[in-house]
Amino acid sequence: QKEVEQNSGPLSVPEGAIASLNCTYSDRGSQSFFWYRQYSGKSPELIMSIYSNGDKEDGRFTAQLNKASQYVSLLIRDSQPSDSATYLCAVKPDGQNFVFGPGTRLSVLP
Amino acid sequence: SAVISQKPSRDICQRGTSLTIQCQVDSQVTMMFWYRQQPGQSLTLIATANQGSEATYESGFVIDKFPISRPNLTFSTLTVSNMSPEDSSIYLCSVPDFGSYNEQFFGPGTRLTVL
Repeated sequence: QKEVEQNSGPLSVPEGAIASLNCTYSDRGSQSFFWYRQYSGKSPELIMSIYSNGDKEDGRFTAQLNKASQYVSLLIRDSQPSDSATYLCAVKPDGQNFVFGPGTRLSVLP
Repeated sequence: SAVISQKPSRDICQRGTSLTIQCQVDSQVTMMFWYRQQPGQSLTLIATANQGSEATYESGFVIDKFPISRPNLTFSTLTVSNMSPEDSSIYLCSVPDFGSYNEQFFGPGTRLTVL
């Protein structure tokens, strides 16, 4: 059974701080990794994708991938109250469908 | 990315009835996916809808309960049949990115409550 695990939270950080969200996965054949943001009552929105080991930066977001450790993370710098949402980690093994983690609820406190 | 719309956006239904959810995409796509998100839970794939062939269902989901149609490359429907309160969920359709087929984008969802 392919699994993706995340801390459910809530993770609370003060405004302006760095939020660190973590995800581990079980299938070593996974090649593609994604972070989705989901506001309450809304559908998931893709915010980052990463395919190679290392860091990938996009604005205030940095995704980090370590395939040897089967670990992917998302850093949000200068966190804003508008970043308060549930963050879903998704993993796509090659040639197979997405597997989503349970999500981490982030709360950025003003 | 594609623009995806779903109808209805929400509905309240009685036990034992059926509801058909529509998903419309503004561009032609080979695959469309149907997901369920139960309250407080993550996303679970129900089935993959391919144009011109039967949908492929994931473990735990059957065609009699969730029949799917895919009449063309821009449209699909998911029917939730003989509903019970356990079917109360958000139902989402999604499509892959045109270029990479790796990324996936979601419609706005249908929030279903079964009484």
